[in-house]
Amino acid sequence: GAVVSQHPSWVICKSGTSVKIECRSLDFQATTMFWYRQFPKQSLMLMATSNEGSKATYEQGVEKDKFLINHASLTLSTLTVTSAHPEDSSFYICSASRWSNQPQHFGDGTRLSIL
Amino acid sequence: GQQVMQIPQYQHVQEGEDFTTYCNSSTTLSNIQWYKQRPGGHPVFLIQLVKSGEVKKQKRLTFQFGEAKKNSSLHITATQTTDVGTYFCAGSGNTPLVFGKGTRLSVIA
Repeated sequence: GAVVSQHPSWVICKSGTSVKIECRSLDFQATTMFWYRQFPKQSLMLMATSNEGSKATYEQGVEKDKFLINHASLTLSTLTVTSAHPEDSSFYICSASRWSNQPQHFGDGTRLSIL
Repeated sequence: GQQVMQIPQYQHVQEGEDFTTYCNSSTTLSNIQWYKQRPGGHPVFLIQLVKSGEVKKQKRLTFQFGEAKKNSSLHITATQTTDVGTYFCAGSGNTPLVFGKGTRLSVIA
């Protein structure tokens, strides 16, 4: 149990494009979902925490207008990178937990490359 | 804010040797979790420790939570090539889970 699906796995697009990434909990209801960014060979950097039905809580230094997060249901959260630029290229991973501070179950991640 | 420090950053061992990674928090934790990320993969939850002084085992892996609930360790006995990956600790106190930088384990056959 506790499967999290993340799509797409890879995105390559031109600078200025907006990219939407979906994160779904397939077999459990996720009260809380998390979005991370991971640079090569580095740790997970928490970008934001989203609770179903409420606005996401962004970490310091993360632009909320740049990284739009929606958590419309207990099984789906989306991250939209608006007007993406090359510096936004990274590995983005979502995770979901049944409730806050409980074990997180991660998606496979999305590798975003902006040309 | 809460910080979670993890050492060492890298560890190279011969297959069959033991391995330990250590995690220290700047504040008292309510729980600590351990995750493993294989190269090219995503983090996978291994275990959660909640009680002061708690010790849990999973086959060759032994997890400990310090008496003061500010540190933890993961010990692998007789490493195998399948143990390769990055091991992250993550702690929560009054804040969302904070991940350590991870320890990257390489096992030489």
